[in-house]
Formats: sequence, structure tokens, C-alpha cells
Amino acid sequence: DTEVTQTPKHLVMGMTNKKSLKCEQHMGHRAMYWYKQKAKKPPELMFVYSYEKLSINESVPSRFSPECPNSSLLNLHLHALQPEDSALYLCASSQDRTQGTEAFFGQGTRLTVV
Amino acid sequence: QKEVEQNSGPLSVPEGAIASLNCTYSDRGSQSFFWYRQYSGKSPELIMFIYSNGDKEDGRFTAQLNKASQYVSLLIRDSQPSDSATYLCAVNRGADKIIFGKGTRLHILP
Repeated sequence: DTEVTQTPKHLVMGMTNKKSLKCEQHMGHRAMYWYKQKAKKPPELMFVYSYEKLSINESVPSRFSPECPNSSLLNLHLHALQPEDSALYLCASSQDRTQGTEAFFGQGTRLTVV
Repeated sequence: QKEVEQNSGPLSVPEGAIASLNCTYSDRGSQSFFWYRQYSGKSPELIMFIYSNGDKEDGRFTAQLNKASQYVSLLIRDSQPSDSATYLCAVNRGADKIIFGKGTRLHILP
């Protein structure tokens, strides 16, 4: 089973709203990722959690706030977003840091900011 | 120089032929390398990963890695129309930092 589950699949929010994206995996993977993907562009790395600790923040604006409550869950809290933040938000997980481990993606949350 | 470079395509290949997709990377410390397939509007799907020099085969797919040349490729044999998609090359630079190239659009001609 290589399933990473993301909810919701679609989200429309206003610029003053607060919402959260959720990601779950039960593969025992120790690294979890948030990526942002705009149309016809590659996924851009936002955050990496390793063993439930934030290990990489790619200079993401503070209106995006990640949280890793436990080793199976990853959240992305959204507040005061801009229309240009509309994108496909992808969660991924991988086994650990060792060479040769691969990342598996969830189906993504299509976010529209109005 | 971009970290991971791919030709954006489109690459058009007749059905049944071999499709060859190429990728170069700039960080010599990169540890492992991945090919993902992405259909329009869908999330990336892992096709192959490789971390040792040489070839790795899985069904119709072969990944090739040359660390000295900082080059990784994907061959798709007996190409099918269902292989038409964007193929993303990704590199693990270490410490879980997985970076993607722009992707190559592949179009298999029936």
C-alpha cells in the first residue's frame, strides 16, 4: 500500500478565511512533504518534516503554516491567502533519509483563493 | 544553472517505438533520482527510482544514471498512447530535499 490521502480534494476560500489542508499516510514513512504546483509548472517544495520535526522551510510566506501532529498526519494551515496562492497542493511521504528512498504523492488539494 | 533540467518538449514518438527522456542535475551531492509521470490535472505518480550508476529496468521502463556526467534518463519501450503524459525528473539532494525538473511532455502518436 503506497497510499497518501489528502483532504479536501477541492477548496475555495476567501482571502480572509482560515482553512486547513490535511494529509495522512499509514506506511510508517518518516518524512512528509508539502509541495505547491501551478498549472504547467513542476511541483515546488514548500516544507519537509522528518521524524515529526520541521527540517526544511523553503522560505514560504507565513500565511502558510505547517503542522505535524504525529508521524502519520501532516496539516497545512492557511490564513489570509492571496489569489496567486491558488494552485494544486500536494502532500508526499517517503520512508526515511537514507539513499534510495522514494516519495509517494497524494492526489492533491486543488485550492482556489477568491 | 537550474538544479534539475529537462527539455520541455513536446516529444512525439510513434506508438510501439522507444521514448527517450533526459535529465541533467547540477548538485554532485545528489543521492537518488526519480522519474514521475503526471497526467493533466492529476498528481505525480512514481515510475522509477535509481541511486546507483548504471541501468535499472522495470517492465517497459529503464532508468539510466551516470553520476560522472550528472545525467539520468528514462527509456520507455513499446510506447503506448497511455504513456502520453508529462514526465518529471526529480532529484534527492540529501536531507529529504527532493527537487523537480520542469518536466517533458511526451506524446505517443497512434
